[in-house]
Order: sequence, then structure tokens, then C-alpha cells
Amino acid sequence: DAKTTQPPSMDCAEGRAANLPCNHSTISGNEYVYWYRQIHSQGPQYIIHGLKNNETNEMASLIITEDRKSSTLILPHATLRDTAVYYCIVRGHSGNTPLVFGKGTRLSVIA
Amino acid sequence: NAGVMQNPRHLVRRRGQEARLRCSPVKGHSHVYWYRQLPEEGLKFMVYLQKENIIDESGMPKERFSAEFPKEGPSILRIQQVVRGDSAAYFCASSPAQGGQPQHFGDGTRLSIL
Repeated sequence: DAKTTQPPSMDCAEGRAANLPCNHSTISGNEYVYWYRQIHSQGPQYIIHGLKNNETNEMASLIITEDRKSSTLILPHATLRDTAVYYCIVRGHSGNTPLVFGKGTRLSVIA
Repeated sequence: NAGVMQNPRHLVRRRGQEARLRCSPVKGHSHVYWYRQLPEEGLKFMVYLQKENIIDESGMPKERFSAEFPKEGPSILRIQQVVRGDSAAYFCASSPAQGGQPQHFGDGTRLSIL
């Protein structure tokens, strides 16, 4: 079972920041937080991952709380092409463990 | 999607036939994973392979399903004697040998059983 909890859906106006929350209160010390998204009919796309420090790349920023029990994925300027299901996944880094997907958050970016 | 190639993109089979799904990982990646997504559901892990070895097949049905990742060539997911319930999107992902690296996915094979 997924170790994360996400809201089932969110709306965001085009051009505004999209902030997607994730709860992972049972995360272990050696587990990372990963974010993927799945645009309709495509394969999941890796976005970003982090352990405890905030991370930023060309796609998004990841903010992890100090107690690591929750995190927020930020898309700074959402576009219509960001409409997708976003998955928050907790995963250990010992070896190459499979990903456990929950139901994710369906983000709708509205013009 | 970072170079993972799956084929065919769409596959139609009649009940009782065999389905073969192929996955070529990103060049240099030696780890392959297969996931299944039933209609209107999330992705579920099926099997994890390294070259010539099955590492974890805990998500794979015990009967009719098999997977391989030979020394040369793509990974193959084989479904024998397909039934209507096998209709789904099957996604392959790959990662390098180094632990903790993100998995990169292909665009899947959509299997339809008539």
C-alpha cells in the first residue's frame, strides 16, 4: 500500500503557482520523497525527488517539512500542459526498489 | 520519456491467445520494471528484473504471466491464454545499476482483449 496521502483533485489557474500537498507521516529516515506525473495516455514522468532539503529543478520545486512528515510540490507557473495526475511516492534508496503508486492528485489547469 | 521504448503501443488479442510486450530500456540501464494500470486505476508493480535475473516478481499473477530480460535484446512480458481481465496498459520503466536512481518510463502498451 502507498505510504502517502494526497487530495484527489485540485484546480489551478493558468500562470499561477500550483502547490500540491502530500502527507507521509510514516516515512523512515532513509526514505526519499519522489514525485511523478502522468499526463493522459502517457507513461509516468519523473519530476523531482528529495530526502530532507528543499530541491529545485527546471520543472518544479520540492519543499519538505523539517519533520519530513509532509511535502509540497510547486509548479511555479502552471500551464495547460501541466494538467495531469501527480503522484507522491516514498521510496528507500537501498537497492532499486519498485515504486508504489497511490491514487495521486488530479491537477486541472484552467485557462 | 527518457528513451524507454515499448512496442507495440497497441495490441489486440482474442481470448486464449498469447500476448508479448517488449521493452527496450534506456541505453546503459540494467534494471527493468513492469507495471500494470487497469482502466481507471493506479499503476501496480508487477516484476523487477536485472539482466538475466528476476529480482522481485511479487506483483505478478502466478499463472499465465512471465517476464524475462535476456543478456541481449529487450525485456519481454508474456501473457499466455489471455482473458478479458488482462485488458490494461502495461508500462515498463528502467533505471541504472546505481541504487536510488529515478525510474524512467515508456509510454506503455495498451492491451485489448476481444
